[in-house]
Amino acid sequence: GAVVSQHPSRVICKSGTSVKIECRSLDFQATTMFWYRQFPKKSLMLMATSNEGSKATYEQGVEKDKFLINHASLTLSTLTVTSAHPEDSSFYICSARTGTSIETQYFGPGTRLLVL
Amino acid sequence: GQNIDQPTEMTATEGAIVQINCTYQTSGFNGLFWYQQHAGEAPTFLSYNVLDGLEEKGRFSSFLSRSKGYSYLLLKELQMKDSASYLCAVLDSNYQLIWGAGTKLIIKP
Repeated sequence: GAVVSQHPSRVICKSGTSVKIECRSLDFQATTMFWYRQFPKKSLMLMATSNEGSKATYEQGVEKDKFLINHASLTLSTLTVTSAHPEDSSFYICSARTGTSIETQYFGPGTRLLVL
Repeated sequence: GQNIDQPTEMTATEGAIVQINCTYQTSGFNGLFWYQQHAGEAPTFLSYNVLDGLEEKGRFSSFLSRSKGYSYLLLKELQMKDSASYLCAVLDSNYQLIWGAGTKLIIKP
């Protein structure tokens, strides 16, 4: 089946540093990847949608200069949280969709970010 | 606006049956998903309904009524490991997933 990996699974960093999270589709080509953020006991909040080779589309209220997304290939998308602050601490989840099965998203295991 | 409603929390007994309801109002409809999410983990796919009716998959079944904007997830023979949050999500006209807030299901022995 379709597998999506995320790395790292957990990261702790100091305030002001930047953190990069990788999302990879291991056995399929992901034409579209999504980045979500989830606060404790809340549902997923879509941050941005990225298509391979083009700029990401950010949801309203999400700062594109703060959350840099790069979808350089059909199997890799990265989210960089720049100049992280404690309020950026959250659970970040990526998902990927193939061009042939547009109704189905495959989720990565998530990355828990803690900014001190 | 787009809206998905599901109960915040439900409690059930091990071995019993529980039904989790979801109502939705979205701009367009291309299917409804149910996901299971254990604490600290990403969602895992349970079911996808795009036509009216009941889809059965083992202990889990999902029902959809498009005219009523309504779905339910039915869990039978509940096990302790079924304690999790259950997320209802609708694929809108732009093929974007609109998420409900999730229902936390607590299973008691």
